Amino acid sequence: DIVMTQSPDSLAVSLGERATINCKSSQSVLYNSNNKNYLAWYQQKPGQPPKLLIYWASTRESGVPDRFSGSGSGTDFTLTISSLQAEDVAVYYCQQYYSTSPLTFGPGTRVEIK
Amino acid sequence: QLQLQESGPGLVKPSETLSLSCIVSGGSISSSNYYWGWIRQPPGKGLEWIGTIYYSGSTYYNPSLKSRVTISVDTSKNQFSLKLSSVTAADTAVYYCARHSSGGYYIIDYWGQGSLVTVSS
Repeated sequence: DIVMTQSPDSLAVSLGERATINCKSSQSVLYNSNNKNYLAWYQQKPGQPPKLLIYWASTRESGVPDRFSGSGSGTDFTLTISSLQAEDVAVYYCQQYYSTSPLTFGPGTRVEIK
Repeated sequence: QLQLQESGPGLVKPSETLSLSCIVSGGSISSSNYYWGWIRQPPGKGLEWIGTIYYSGSTYYNPSLKSRVTISVDTSKNQFSLKLSSVTAADTAVYYCARHSSGGYYIIDYWGQGSLVTVSS
């Protein structure tokens, strides 16, 4: 299995400040033949299903505000919220889709307002 | 707008079989572009992929659950289903059905609202 870890477990950020979440995979999720990182980010608000934010490590899903950005390659990835808004309070998960045996998610990072 | 809706019993007894269906509306499950999956989330915990199916019936399961899981598709009803046998309390979770994005990549771009299934006698 490709094991996904995230740090921190939770963070509290002031409104308008930057939030940074890290995700690490136990093996590279970079597919050399197309130079793509098979890594997605999801946002889950209480009582709701997850919502796709970012795929291919850095491609923003349609309709996702541009304050959300993804970066990284290989085994180390980052989700950045450039200016935290109240509606961004949620748990954020990374997911690798390099291997389907099995697909795996990170344990989640909770983002709160300081 | 694509919508997915889970349905099934909210309470299942230990050792019995959990059965859920996912009705897809606003799009065809028979589209060659997409795969369809099940993901679960125990209360207060993270996400676990259960398995995925293609409209042709090809399936891909999480090895940790493979011996107990069956996912099937009914294209005439535009729905797909999950069966999980020999359930225990550890199978208590919100079960989501979902669509994987086009291209055969296992990005999850649409999710159902989820169905809480409790395993208890």
